[in-house]
Amino acid sequence: ETGVTQTPRHLVMGMTNKKSLKCEQHLGHNAMYWYKQSAKKPLELMFVYSLEERVENNSVPSRFSPECPNSSHLFLHLHTLQPEDSALYLCASSPGVGEMNTEAFFGQGTRLTVV
Amino acid sequence: AQSVTQLDSQVPVFEEAPVELRCNYSSSVSVYLFWYVQYPNQGLQLLLKYLSGSTLVKGINGFEAEFNKSQTSFHLRKPSVHISDTAEYFCAVSDIGEYGNKLVFGAGTILRVKS
Repeated sequence: ETGVTQTPRHLVMGMTNKKSLKCEQHLGHNAMYWYKQSAKKPLELMFVYSLEERVENNSVPSRFSPECPNSSHLFLHLHTLQPEDSALYLCASSPGVGEMNTEAFFGQGTRLTVV
Repeated sequence: AQSVTQLDSQVPVFEEAPVELRCNYSSSVSVYLFWYVQYPNQGLQLLLKYLSGSTLVKGINGFEAEFNKSQTSFHLRKPSVHISDTAEYFCAVSDIGEYGNKLVFGAGTILRVKS
């Protein structure tokens, strides 16, 4: 079992659908992150949660709505997406946002295709 | 804010040849640097990290990297590559923002190992 688990691994949705991505970490970490990875573009940090509180939102469109009910779970709710939102969405966790000398641990990602 | 530049988008190399993937970071008083690897349709896996101390850092799968403060570089090397090393490699730096730390990634370098 990996430390960070994402479901589903693949998702195809229409532009009018509502779906959610789920992330769960079993590492006892206090910080969780959503990244977007599009073809030929650097990883984009979308959201940062520290102890279930959102601490950073990098100008992400409101059609992406994160939720962090506890320090082990992170969701990304999706609605009325656009084809350009198709990407690999990666969840990560780290011990805390005050810990600069530690790496982030990544899940395997959800490959999202918007049709 | 910290930034990372990966100088090569793709590096083709023959099996058993040496390889170097280049990474430069923006200067800072203190810096923490990481290399991650991503295999197709997978998340990111940590290869190695530099926090302090010896400038030569050894990681998994026979990779190593050298921290060079005067040149603000953190190049990744392997003396003899295998087909299985074909993947995308990301250099990252820990950055401190208004709400805490986060990882800032380079654009990635695709390593293609040919037989």
